[in-house]
Amino acid sequence: GQQLNQSPQSMFIQEGEDVSMNCTSSSIFNTWLWYKQDPGEGPVLLIALYKAGELTSNGRLTAQFGITRKDSFLNISASIPSDVGIYFCAGPAYFRDDKIIFGKGTRLHILP
Amino acid sequence: NAGVTQTPKFQVLKTGQSMTLQCAQDMNHEYMSWYRQDPGMGLRLIHYSVGAGITDQGEVPNGYNVSRSTTEDFPLRLLSAAPSQTSVYFCASSYNSPYTGELFFGEGSRLTVL
Repeated sequence: GQQLNQSPQSMFIQEGEDVSMNCTSSSIFNTWLWYKQDPGEGPVLLIALYKAGELTSNGRLTAQFGITRKDSFLNISASIPSDVGIYFCAGPAYFRDDKIIFGKGTRLHILP
Repeated sequence: NAGVTQTPKFQVLKTGQSMTLQCAQDMNHEYMSWYRQDPGMGLRLIHYSVGAGITDQGEVPNGYNVSRSTTEDFPLRLLSAAPSQTSVYFCASSYNSPYTGELFFGEGSRLTVL
């Protein structure tokens, strides 16, 4: 079935560093969603992308919908301790907008 | 500001036992869904519903039943629990399609099957 592949699986960075992560698929997606999960909580939507090439920002977060429609990128600038968590990409499986599937996540750790 | 409420938060079952995970939302959302989260596996869709009386299967539906008799509630039933169903379960809802609308998640229910 359709899968979303996220990399890296985990990252260890220093506070203040910029972060880049990506999400790829072997098939085309028409929407890319980025969610963040804080420890012990459910995921929360960060950014939604609906158009190939689209670049959208939410504060220090910037996400892009890849031109090929098979990938998306999330960047975090000047990381802070509250950025710790798991970042998931998600999208509608087989263009079914009622069937949202998630990648396996990128776990972000910030070193003191 | 209840949002999506899941009960119980923690449950331990023996193999073969049955139980129901409850999910309720007070936002008048039409769309509701259940995911399971396992280490290294991300979130996998179990079942979802686009409105009262309508349910459909997700990626990993086997071993789980759902029904949607009201807009507010979407219970997940395990008829005969297996150790492979040990996981953290999340219920999520959206006003309309989650493709255009935000999915709101509950805090999760941690299930252990011995």
